[in-house]
Amino acid sequence: AQSVTQPDIHITVSEGASLELRCNYSYGATPYLFWYVQSPGQGLQLLLKYFSGDTLVQGIKGFEAEFKRSQSSFNLRKPSVHWSDAAEYFCAVGTTSGTYKYIFGTGTRLKVLA
Amino acid sequence: GAVVSQHPSWVICKSGTSVKIECRSLDFQATTMFWYRQFPKQSLMLMATSNEGSKATYEQGVEKDKFLINHASLTLSTLTVTSAHPEDSSFYICSAKLAGGVLETQYFGPGTRLLVL
Repeated sequence: AQSVTQPDIHITVSEGASLELRCNYSYGATPYLFWYVQSPGQGLQLLLKYFSGDTLVQGIKGFEAEFKRSQSSFNLRKPSVHWSDAAEYFCAVGTTSGTYKYIFGTGTRLKVLA
Repeated sequence: GAVVSQHPSWVICKSGTSVKIECRSLDFQATTMFWYRQFPKQSLMLMATSNEGSKATYEQGVEKDKFLINHASLTLSTLTVTSAHPEDSSFYICSAKLAGGVLETQYFGPGTRLLVL
């Protein structure tokens, strides 16, 4: 079955600390992979995406993610977190076979301590 | 670029009435738009995929007659919640996929919060 798992429902980090948000997927074909961020009461903003090529992708706001096919993972990282990064983060798989759509993970809520 | 708007941003209505939500791609044409529903502190659930000029494709379990979707142009899709009831209260988010785009990226609107009394 197709699915996206974000094992951490909540993560709390101190401002300035590094961050890694985990994302694992189950998909039979090569997926398109995305990370989105959602601030309270807002829609989703695209942070970065992976389709092919270099497995380390750079995004906006200083985020990066690494695609590891062997681990079916696409973890999001940031070397130094800012208070404004507090939000909900969603990993998504874009299907590449059949009807095109996103499969979203359950999200990780990030809290940043001053 | 790739801005998607939704209107209204929030709406309160009485039980039994219908509510229409608009989703517009402001600076690009979108052959495909998507409608999601999000419950508090939960992920987005795809309700339906809307293709310009054709009928929407609904996900399993979504009532077609209750959630009417129209995608009449390359920049506008509407979701009408018919005979709304309190259990329809939710955050509705639309997204749009760039027409002819090679990269399969969805751009999301800011969402519409619906409260049915």
